[in-house]
Amino acid sequence: EIVMTQSPATLSVSPGERATLSCRASQSVSSNLAWYQQKSGQAPRLLIYGASTRATGIPARFSGSGSETEFTLTVSSLQSEDFAVYYCQQYNNWPLTFGGGTKVEIK
Amino acid sequence: EVQLLESGGGLVQPGGSLRLSCAASGFTLMSWVRQAPGKGLEWVSSISAGGGSGGGTYYPDSVKGRFTISRDNSKSTLYLQMNSLRAEDTAVYYCAGRTGARYWYFDLWGRGTLVTVSS
Repeated sequence: EIVMTQSPATLSVSPGERATLSCRASQSVSSNLAWYQQKSGQAPRLLIYGASTRATGIPARFSGSGSETEFTLTVSSLQSEDFAVYYCQQYNNWPLTFGGGTKVEIK
Repeated sequence: EVQLLESGGGLVQPGGSLRLSCAASGFTLMSWVRQAPGKGLEWVSSISAGGGSGGGTYYPDSVKGRFTISRDNSKSTLYLQMNSLRAEDTAVYYCAGRTGARYWYFDLWGRGTLVTVSS
């Protein structure tokens, strides 16, 4: 099983600032990596797939990068609606696995 | 607007069974993902377009042999039959779909249905 490790667990950021979230895979997942955003009490929403491709309707301030075992989600200028929990997920191998999440909170 | 709508959750005793349903159309690959209270996301099962007889089904070890995923394409419905339920199966269960034919990430998620396993 591929273990996905996200860091930090919590990120405190002021509105308008840049947020950088990390996701590490225990073995290579190529570019088969997705990012999701989950707001409190809501279902997750797909942000990024293929490590760097934004899903339909996702603002350009969200960007993904990386390959193999190291991945990054960057939010260039945090808006109030971006404060949420973010998960990465690998789909290179079965079982599909998620990271433990990074909570982005208001500083 | 394309939507996914789960139903069938509720309170069940340990060792009991429950069947979840998800109304969905237009998705090639479909999955169930759960989230225990206050915890992260955990993949539960997936099924490809061919359904239980012609397509592939996939499970993690934690539910293999206890849960069965299936789909009725004529009814545009996804199912999850859950048997031998345990307290650790308590979670919100999300139906998630992928419109493409490859790659198991999730384009769209339902709102979820809560399953509570308790005596």
